[in-house]
Amino acid sequence: QQPVQSPQAVILREGEDAVINCSSSKALYSVHWYRQKHGEAPVFLMILLKGGEQKGHEKISASFNEKKQQSSLYLTASQLSYSGTYFCGTEFSGGGADGLTFGKGTHLIIQP
Amino acid sequence: DTAVSQTPKYLVTQMGNDKSIKCEQNLGHDTMYWYKQDSKKFLKIMFSYNNKELIINETVPNRFSPKSPDKAHLNLHINSLELGDSAVYFCASSQSNGREYFGPGTRLTVT
Repeated sequence: QQPVQSPQAVILREGEDAVINCSSSKALYSVHWYRQKHGEAPVFLMILLKGGEQKGHEKISASFNEKKQQSSLYLTASQLSYSGTYFCGTEFSGGGADGLTFGKGTHLIIQP
Repeated sequence: DTAVSQTPKYLVTQMGNDKSIKCEQNLGHDTMYWYKQDSKKFLKIMFSYNNKELIINETVPNRFSPKSPDKAHLNLHINSLELGDSAVYFCASSQSNGREYFGPGTRLTVT
């Protein structure tokens, strides 16, 4: 039931774009994206609910394909501050009381 | 004001001891959670607690028990600590279907 994230790691130059994918073998109700820096707590980026919506947050946006049971996170014109580990967290049903099932994370390194 | 707080931030203890980690949220959320992040950074749900309903991840040993004195608090009690319990434990809270707010984490080291 754990979602699969890809790639496991990516190294970019500042200003380059990145895409992080999150796929589930089980039908999804929602996908949550978080970024975590070393020694810190995960920080919320966005939620996508079933319905195939796409959301944006500054230069970070995401899509949710309900049929394919996958979500993608898009980072455009990456900045040094984008470095960290990105996690997708999935909910399989509404109600919100089950907590999130997280993928193993994608390590993103942005170099100057 | 801190939304979700945890104490202590660091906890070093010996095998076999019993310890507790406290969590408080001042957001008025209905649901609180405990997550464990291991040395490989894998984040795994342990418990969620909503309106006095406890949902337990079946893989969590019964040495771990959450205790909620009120809606704003969900403490984690661990009996007979083992080396494998060493990890960072995060408390979180949310409203239904909303984003989860994470606490700063408690780094537990069992020696």
